Amino acid sequence: EADIYQTPRYLVIGTGKKITLECSQTMGHDKMYWYQQDPGMELHLIHYSYGVNSTEKGDLSSESTVSRIRTEHFPLTLESARPSHTSQYLCASSKENSYEQYFGPGTRLTVT
Amino acid sequence: EDQVTQSPEALRLQEGESSSLNCSYTVSGLRGLFWYRQDPGKGPEFLFTLYSAGEEKEKERLKATLTKKESFLHITAPKPEDSATYLCAVQAAGGSARQLTFGSGTQLTVLP
Repeated sequence: EADIYQTPRYLVIGTGKKITLECSQTMGHDKMYWYQQDPGMELHLIHYSYGVNSTEKGDLSSESTVSRIRTEHFPLTLESARPSHTSQYLCASSKENSYEQYFGPGTRLTVT
Repeated sequence: EDQVTQSPEALRLQEGESSSLNCSYTVSGLRGLFWYRQDPGKGPEFLFTLYSAGEEKEKERLKATLTKKESFLHITAPKPEDSATYLCAVQAAGGSARQLTFGSGTQLTVLP
């Protein structure tokens, strides 16, 4: 079983608030990812990181930002939440030379 | 552009009724094809990686196969606990090497 954790699992927040979604993994994986998934829809990559101090945007445009100061930690921040940000956010990680990604349990975000 | 199409969108089976899920893909050189299982409200759980046409992988009641244009996930004598959404994803060998392209999944329901 993959050791990748996300907190909070569920979050309901008002428009305009700043939020940070946490993601941590204990597997020592170099690569980490953030995906957005709406019900019944595909996963879309919004951010990824190849290692410490390396972050890139994915193909899906997102107003969120990420940081990678430690190998095990990859938080995602929304400076000003909007109802359009309501979605499930999934964090994943993989080894340096592998494309097999292991996912966390997700954060279900609702912005009212 | 890399594309993944899964069919059917939803499938209902009686317990013990074997069937197959389809994943058709278009990529500029396949580096790997991945199958995941996703339970409601949870992150995807890794099942299999297939790398080349003709390859097969098995795990309990599941068997994944790969051709040059599609992959099948065969479910033999399914049980209610096999109910989940099954996701297919591809890794292209070209410029999108940083990410997986996911299909929208097949929602499987196995009735007792």
